[in-house]
Formats: sequence, C-alpha cells, structure tokens
Amino acid sequence: AQKITQTQPGMFVQEKEAVTLDCTYDTSDPSYGLFWYKQPSSGEMIFLIYQGSYDQQNATEGRYSLNFQKARKSANLVISASQLGDSAMYFCAMRGTQGGSEKLVFGKGTKLTVNP
Amino acid sequence: DAGITQSPRHKVTETGTPVTLRCHQTENHRYMYWYRQDPGHGLRLIHYSYGVKDTDKGEVSDGYSVSRSKTEDFLLTLESATSSQTSVYFCAISEPGLAGGTGELFFGEGSRLTVL
Repeated sequence: AQKITQTQPGMFVQEKEAVTLDCTYDTSDPSYGLFWYKQPSSGEMIFLIYQGSYDQQNATEGRYSLNFQKARKSANLVISASQLGDSAMYFCAMRGTQGGSEKLVFGKGTKLTVNP
Repeated sequence: DAGITQSPRHKVTETGTPVTLRCHQTENHRYMYWYRQDPGHGLRLIHYSYGVKDTDKGEVSDGYSVSRSKTEDFLLTLESATSSQTSVYFCAISEPGLAGGTGELFFGEGSRLTVL
C-alpha cells in the first residue's frame, strides 16, 4: 500500500526566508510520481511541482524546488524567499501504478504561515 | 484553467436523505476522482474512474457509490447521508498519457456538504 507522511502540522517562517516542508513516502512500486499542491484559504487546489521516481535531477519551478532523496524515500518541498502569499496548506501526494490504474494518495498536509 | 465544474457547490441536507454530487469536465481526460477533505485528514480518495463505466474504490468508499456513463460526467452518490459524511468534496481529473505531462490532478472548486 502507498502512504504519504507529512509530520509537520504547522510551520512558521519569516518573509523572505526559505522554508522546507517535509514529506516521506512508502511504496513498493518501482515507478511512481511525487507531487506538491498548495491550498490557500480560498480553498482551491493548486499544483506546484512534480518529481518522477526515475528523474535524475531534483525538480524546480520558480521559487519551489523538490529535495528528492530516493533512498530515504523523502520528497521535501523547499520554498525560497517566502512571500506572504505563500501562507497556505501544502499537500504532498504520490501516484503509483499498482494494479495498472493510477491514483494519487495525499498526506495530511502542512499549514504554512509566513510572518511579515 | 482545466474545465471542471462541480455541482452543487453547497448543500445542506438531513440524515437519511440521498445526495448526488456531479462533476463535469470539458477536457476529455480519462481519469476522474472523488476526494473528501476533512481537517486533520488531508484528502482521502473515495472512488475513481479510469474510463466510461470503469470505476474502482478508494480508501474511504463505504457509504458512497459512483457512476460514469459519459467521459465528461462523474457522479458521486450518498444513498443515505450520515453526519459523518459532512465534508468538502473535491472532484479531480487527470490524463497520465499526455506526452510530456506529469499526470497531475486538476481539481474542481469543491462542494461543501453538511448533513444535519
């Protein structure tokens, strides 16, 4: 069974500083994908970044980067130069292909608060 | 933005009544999903579909049924609503086979259901 663990219910960071949100996963699939989503207080789910299990380099998207450590089964999200608008819930998710179908399993999320 | 609409967006109902939530997409994506979001639990998969009339259960499927008679529509039915089904329900779509795509989920805006 696939499982995503986010151990930080809440995180605080000062504006303009970097912050790392932790995510560990468990799967027996040889091929899988890891995703991060942002959910602001308005409620919509926003896709941020993706890392494939066979990707050699860590994914980056603007101020977002994914620190992928395959042997440790971790996929931490790094946000550089935090902005007030980064305050939101952040969800880590994993896609596996067990049984030939694809579904995403989500962690419980981390609430990030950016302080001015 | 992906063309996904959920209806109704808000509903209040009484215990024991049937409820149907509708998800409509205009993207012709093969996969459609229903998640529920509850505080402290993140997003949990209820059911998903990988094609017309092809559906499977997720991790919290008890008390829910789904149907997909057309590519664009995915219905979630609570045959007899209970207070434990009070939640925010999200529909999502994906098309993992898109060339160069990550197979990320595109989410609807959510439907808030309150069961009294």
